[in-house]
Amino acid sequence: GQNIDQPTEMTATEGAIVQINCTYQTSGFNGLFWYQQHAGEAPTFLSYNVLDGLEEKGRFSSFLSRSKGYSYLLLKELQMKDSASYLCAVYNDYKLSFGAGTTVTVRA
Amino acid sequence: DTAVSQTPKYLVTQMGNDKSIKCEQNLGHDTMYWYKQDSKKFLKIMFSYNNKELIINETVPNRFSPKSPDKAHLNLHINSLELGDSAVYFCASSRPERGETQYFGPGTRLLVL
Repeated sequence: GQNIDQPTEMTATEGAIVQINCTYQTSGFNGLFWYQQHAGEAPTFLSYNVLDGLEEKGRFSSFLSRSKGYSYLLLKELQMKDSASYLCAVYNDYKLSFGAGTTVTVRA
Repeated sequence: DTAVSQTPKYLVTQMGNDKSIKCEQNLGHDTMYWYKQDSKKFLKIMFSYNNKELIINETVPNRFSPKSPDKAHLNLHINSLELGDSAVYFCASSRPERGETQYFGPGTRLLVL
């Protein structure tokens, strides 16, 4: 079975940093994805990790530790437009299994 | 525009009706998917097709029947709609790069009354 956990909600101030944690216990592993989903819109790809370590892409970074079954998404210099749901997903057996998502609210 | 597109965007219908949702991608991808996102925003895989062949069927009721006429299209037909089918249905496509990164369509919001 697949068990992917992430916090339900987080709130932060504009300009701050927020770290969204994701832990997973899955029957197999071929990579971990982070997607962003604004209300009423489709999920959009943010990052992909398959090896341990940190992947940096502009204001967003993603970290993976396969031995710990753990990932985080780091959002720096938060902007109001970053208010969205962030979905952690594990790829295995030709499919993505998603966590329930973390709703991030950015306040002025 | 290169993208994944779905029609219709909104669908309101009565219980017991049959409806179809269409999906097309012009990204040249080999694999297409249907996902269901319920009211709690949980996104769950339903079906996956690779080059018109079904590769994933995630214990979905057989009232749901996907059909892939070619690798750029994946349609979803739903028979005898039930209240619990109300959700947002997303189509997605991928190819083997960055671990099969999936690109999602805009979603079809289905409301069964």
